[in-house]
Amino acid sequence: GDSVTQMEGPVTLSEEAFLTINCTYTATGYPSLFWYVQYPGEGLQLLLKATKADDKGSNKGFEATYRKETTSFHLEKGSVQVSDSAVYFCALSDQANSGYALNFGKGTSLLVTP
Amino acid sequence: DSGVTQTPKHLITATGQRVTLRCSPRSGDLSVYWYQQSLDQGLQFLIQYYNGEERAKGNILERFSAQQFPDLHSELNLSSLELGDSALYFCASSVTGGGGGYTFGSGTRLTVV
Repeated sequence: GDSVTQMEGPVTLSEEAFLTINCTYTATGYPSLFWYVQYPGEGLQLLLKATKADDKGSNKGFEATYRKETTSFHLEKGSVQVSDSAVYFCALSDQANSGYALNFGKGTSLLVTP
Repeated sequence: DSGVTQTPKHLITATGQRVTLRCSPRSGDLSVYWYQQSLDQGLQFLIQYYNGEERAKGNILERFSAQQFPDLHSELNLSSLELGDSALYFCASSVTGGGGGYTFGSGTRLTVV
C-alpha cells in the first residue's frame, strides 16, 4: 500500500540555518503530495502541496519539489527562524487507490534556537 | 482560527465508557474527515463523509462510528473505551474530495483512565 517515510527528528538548528527535511513515498498511482505543519497545541496546517511530477510547492519561504524519479518530496527553507519550530508532516493523497484520505509520515520535529 | 470547530477540546473518561466528539466543518465545506493522532501510531485516517454519505473508511475500529448530519456537522462516537484509545482526534474539512488539501480543527484530546 501507499506509505510515506520521513527523516526522524528531532532536528535542531540555529536561526538562519538551512533546513532540509527528507520525505520519500511509495504509491501505486499518481499521488498528490503535501507538507503540513503542526505548532504546539494546534491542529495541522497545510504548508504547501504539489499535484504532479516536477511541480514545486512553496509557501512562507518553504519549498518542495515533486520528484517522481526518486519518489521524493523534500522540504527546504533557506533561512529558518525561531518561529518555524514545529512538527512537520509529509503526506500523500492517492485518489485512485484510497480516495482523498491523506497518508501521513510520522512527522519530524524541528527546533530552531536563537 | 481555521474555521473547523471541534468540541470538546479535552475529555477524560473511564475505560468501558462511550464518548461523542463533535466537529463543525468550515463554512461551505462538504467533506469531513476524522483522524487519530497517537505517539505510537502517528496520524491515522479513520473515516470520511461527503455531504452526509460515508465516502471512505480507514483504520477505524468497530467500536468507533461516525455520521454526518444534514447541517454537515459530524460526530465521532467511541464506545467501550480502552486505555489505548487515548489520543488526539482531529477533524478536517474540504470543499469537495480534498485533492487540494484539508483544513484541520485543533483537535479533541481524549484521555481514558
